[in-house]
Order: sequence, then C-alpha cells, then structure tokens
Amino acid sequence: DQQVKQNSPSLSVQEGRISILNCDYTNSMFDYFLWYKKYPAEGPTFLISISSIKDKNEDGRFTVFLNKSAKHLSLHIVPSQPGDSAVYFCAASSAYSGAGSYQLTFGKGTKLSVIP
Amino acid sequence: GAGVSQSPRYKVAKRGQDVALRCDPISGHVSLFWYQQALGQGPEFLTYFQNEAQLDKSGLPSDRFFAERPEGSVSTLKIQRTQQEDSAVYLCASSLEAMGNQPQHFGDGTRLSIL
Repeated sequence: DQQVKQNSPSLSVQEGRISILNCDYTNSMFDYFLWYKKYPAEGPTFLISISSIKDKNEDGRFTVFLNKSAKHLSLHIVPSQPGDSAVYFCAASSAYSGAGSYQLTFGKGTKLSVIP
Repeated sequence: GAGVSQSPRYKVAKRGQDVALRCDPISGHVSLFWYQQALGQGPEFLTYFQNEAQLDKSGLPSDRFFAERPEGSVSTLKIQRTQQEDSAVYLCASSLEAMGNQPQHFGDGTRLSIL
C-alpha cells in the first residue's frame, strides 16, 4: 500500500509558465514533507521542505503548499525553465512524532519536461 | 568532498557472489541512511545509523543484507549471496543532526546489476 502517491507520471510545461506537481499521502503520522529533484544517473537533490505546522513555504521560484485536511501537497515552480526538466519526488517522514528513525517515504516521481 | 560520496558507481556481479557498497557521508553528519531504488520507483528505506549505532534496520529485505558504520563516518552495505532481485540503485544519504526535520542529502548511488 503506497503511503505517498504521485499520480501523474509526467508533466509538460512551456518555458516561463507555472509547473504544478502534486502529491497525496495516507499516513496521518507524517508531519514533515520534502521535494527532491533528480537528473538521470545522479542522486536526488533536496529542493524544499515544509513541516505540518505550516501551509506554505517559499524559496525563490519554488513554493510548496500543504493541505493537511486533504493530505495533499503541491510544488509550484514559476517561472519554469528548461533546466527544471527532471524527475521530481515527493517524500514524507514522521519527524516530530518520535516514532521511527526519520526515514523518508517516497512517491514514484513525476517527470517534468519544460519545453523551450 | 562537499557531498555524499558512494563507490563504486557501478557494480556487476554474478548471482551468488557477495558485494560491498561504500558510502562516505558529508563530514560531521550524524545521521546516515541507506535506500534501495528499483527502476521506475522512488527510493525505499533500508536502514538508519545515528553515529555508529544502527537504530533502525526494518527495511532490510532479508538477512543477506548487512550494514555497518563502525566509526560513525563511512558506512558499508554488504549483500551476501546476491540474487537477481537485488539489482537496483543503492542510495546513501546523510543529515547533519539526529532530528527528523532535517533534509537528507543523497549521493549519486551505486547501480548494482546481478547476472
């Protein structure tokens, strides 16, 4: 049973427009959420995170929104650039509950293509 | 180096052989994690170290998998009597403190192929 779901395997966006990547989770114990970006043959690179006490976190062109009641988060990239083309992974952990070892649970990823 | 370093980058082994994968975390990072990533999937947790102590090994798929971090820095993941289903990318990650709200920083992984 997947606890973190990214239902869109791929997304294409024109350069300069907004990219919106979505993620849903089922485990109510998750309270810390992260987005990672991955290029082929490289490891995931940390982008941005949010804790469950917030509903929004912004870092430059990247904004993460968290809707706890819907168990849904999204990553907005604006404006999108061709260098943003990569696979984006949503991840979650039980950071504050004291249960477990802070392991991350990942979704399957969404491949973003930004078209020049 | 500044990032997490893993070696080898690629490893090919025959079924039944033992393999050892190395991870050199970011200097000073307390927490170290191993993940397994199958093709088309997200990384899946294997095991967690806080300094030299292995606090969680609940993700190790069988007793053929063994990990250690004897001096609290470099870690080795060993797989004995490899099987074809062990073929995957093995990722190592580290974080600065033993706290949950810390991003984990990943190496580029070791791609293991079992023939």
